[in-house]
Amino acid sequence: NAGVMQNPRHLVRRRGQEARLRCSPMKGHSHVYWYRQLPEEGLKFMVYLQKENIIDESGMPKERFSAEFPKEGPSILRIQQVVRGDSAAYFCASSPLLTGGHYEQYFGPGTRLTVT
Amino acid sequence: DQQVKQNSPSLSVQEGRISILNCDYTNSMFDYFLWYKKYPAEGPTFLISISSIKDKNEDGRFTVFLNKSAKHLSLHIVPSQPGDSAVYFCAAKGGNNDMRFGAGTRLTVKP
Repeated sequence: NAGVMQNPRHLVRRRGQEARLRCSPMKGHSHVYWYRQLPEEGLKFMVYLQKENIIDESGMPKERFSAEFPKEGPSILRIQQVVRGDSAAYFCASSPLLTGGHYEQYFGPGTRLTVT
Repeated sequence: DQQVKQNSPSLSVQEGRISILNCDYTNSMFDYFLWYKKYPAEGPTFLISISSIKDKNEDGRFTVFLNKSAKHLSLHIVPSQPGDSAVYFCAAKGGNNDMRFGAGTRLTVKP
């Protein structure tokens, strides 16, 4: 059972370009979470999605950022008109249907975004 | 909003001794707590968890303690090994199944 896949692992964008980060959850997992880690900081929650639904986007910046988890295909975190402050590591995590008292999330290796 | 705080950015212990990592939270609605371990250039990996109805959970060398009245949890690693050197994140689950993470504590275990 392959783990959470994220691609690309490294992404370089110039200011003003768009960045698309992809996340394929573990097989059988229907919940996806996106986190951002700035240098020397912890993981900051961005958004929580189930298939075709955004459950909680309270951590997403109001502008330029969007996320989706379509019925088919990976979850996408999209950043429009990137700025230098968007440079960070972006982690995706997935979990199965949350029952039985097990709430662990399984993380991908992250995408390191650098804005030049 | 810093609902989960890890006030020690780093900790250094000698191999074989106990490592104690601490975490405080402010939201009394959190009902499940987890510890993750992270190596450089990798995603965090789940280590151990505890439900809010318990005060202790043990798994091998790792034990998590929860003090609900103090809104405090801790991770004990004993005996500590050099391979335990990593960044440890404390996390708490809210009622919406969302997760909030602390800033992490970098543990260094010296041989």
